[in-house]
Amino acid sequence: NAGVTQTPKFQVLKTGQSMTLQCAQDMNHEYMSWYRQDPGMGLRLIHYSVGAGITDQGEVPNGYNVSRSTTEDFPLRLLSAAPSQTSVYFCASSYSPDRVRSPLHFGNGTRLTVT
Amino acid sequence: GESVGLHLPTLSVQEGDNSIINCAYSNSASDYFIWYKQESGKGPQFIIDIRSNMDKRQGQRVTVLLNKTVKHLSLQIAATQPGDSAVYFCAENWGYSGGGADGLTFGKGTHLIIQP
Repeated sequence: NAGVTQTPKFQVLKTGQSMTLQCAQDMNHEYMSWYRQDPGMGLRLIHYSVGAGITDQGEVPNGYNVSRSTTEDFPLRLLSAAPSQTSVYFCASSYSPDRVRSPLHFGNGTRLTVT
Repeated sequence: GESVGLHLPTLSVQEGDNSIINCAYSNSASDYFIWYKQESGKGPQFIIDIRSNMDKRQGQRVTVLLNKTVKHLSLQIAATQPGDSAVYFCAENWGYSGGGADGLTFGKGTHLIIQP
């Protein structure tokens, strides 16, 4: 049981480049989400999904797109990378859409640097 | 959750002592609380959770206490070991509501340092 798998682990982009951060879970979780973690800022929600075909914006969605075509996968796309998007990105999943009584399971993150 | 500006609060304890990490939550409607441990270079790892109808819950070497009156949560780690060195943060959950709010808020964390 791999849990939540994120790729790549590290990425360096130039300003204006685009890329996709991959996230997959094998726990049949309905809920998946993306966070960014910056020093002193804690975890901030970018986008989330309560099931295949359903996505919603979180606290800091600008500059990012997501899609959820399958239960297992929830990729995060950076449309035109900016230095302000330098951060560590975490994907997470849990069993139920409202996540009551259901903790999030996190991947080990993607460390992104935009120059 | 806890909020201390640009720097994480730090708790330094001697190996073998008990550690207590505190968290103030903000939403009176929160009914589920979780503690996570994050080691350097890794993702947050679930430690223990507690529902709002409970005041205390125990796990292996960890205890979570919930005081709803003052909206306070604490994590107690017994007989702290070097492997306990990490950032610990709490999360409060008031349930999914949609429309940009997924019903979960994380604290900014406390860095637990274990002294030999």
